[in-house]
Amino acid sequence: AQSVTQLDSHVSVSEGTPVLLRCNYSSSYSPSLFWYVQHPNKGLQLLLKYTSAATLVKGINGFEAEFKKSETSFHLTKPSAHMSDAAEYFCVVSESGGYQKVTFGTGTKLQVIP
Amino acid sequence: GAVVSQHPSRVICKSGTSVKIECRSLDFQATTMFWYRQFPKKSLMLMATSNEGSKATYEQGVEKDKFLINHASLTLSTLTVTSAHPEDSSFYICSARDFGLAGTDTQYFGPGTRLTVL
Repeated sequence: AQSVTQLDSHVSVSEGTPVLLRCNYSSSYSPSLFWYVQHPNKGLQLLLKYTSAATLVKGINGFEAEFKKSETSFHLTKPSAHMSDAAEYFCVVSESGGYQKVTFGTGTKLQVIP
Repeated sequence: GAVVSQHPSRVICKSGTSVKIECRSLDFQATTMFWYRQFPKKSLMLMATSNEGSKATYEQGVEKDKFLINHASLTLSTLTVTSAHPEDSSFYICSARDFGLAGTDTQYFGPGTRLTVL
């Protein structure tokens, strides 16, 4: 069985300050992990993914995430927030390296204050 | 990256009618597509897995006869909400699985369809 927990439902940061969105996972097998972003009334866009290669994964728009097996975490970070980063972010886990079945976290809403 | 489209983007219908939503992979072939439902301010819930040429696999609690899924080609899957009721109003999102080069396996999401049942 697999599960994913996004520890914060809302995160608020000032423009230009770092972003940290937390995600912890549980998986019986070697997981693949993903972060998706969803802007209001829009579909999902893949930010980055981890699939057992490098533990530090760089994604689009300056985001990155580090896979830490010992902590079962896959936190999403960005050094400097932009107004356009305001959106809902989902952490997703899939077992066995594939996309046979994915489990979504409950989402974290990021607010960026000017 | 690969593109997945959904049609229509928004639909409003009367209670009791049926609505069909299309999901297309535009520049790749997808043997597997997924259908999700998203409630307001909630995460995505997987409804079913659609495999080309075979019956869809539904998640527990999802009514097969209400949410009909057809995956007749490698680029098209359809979700039909039969005899829709107001509680079926939701944001429906599809995704398509792309086995790219070098063994990559990525799921691309469509933009979603907002269904409102009056």
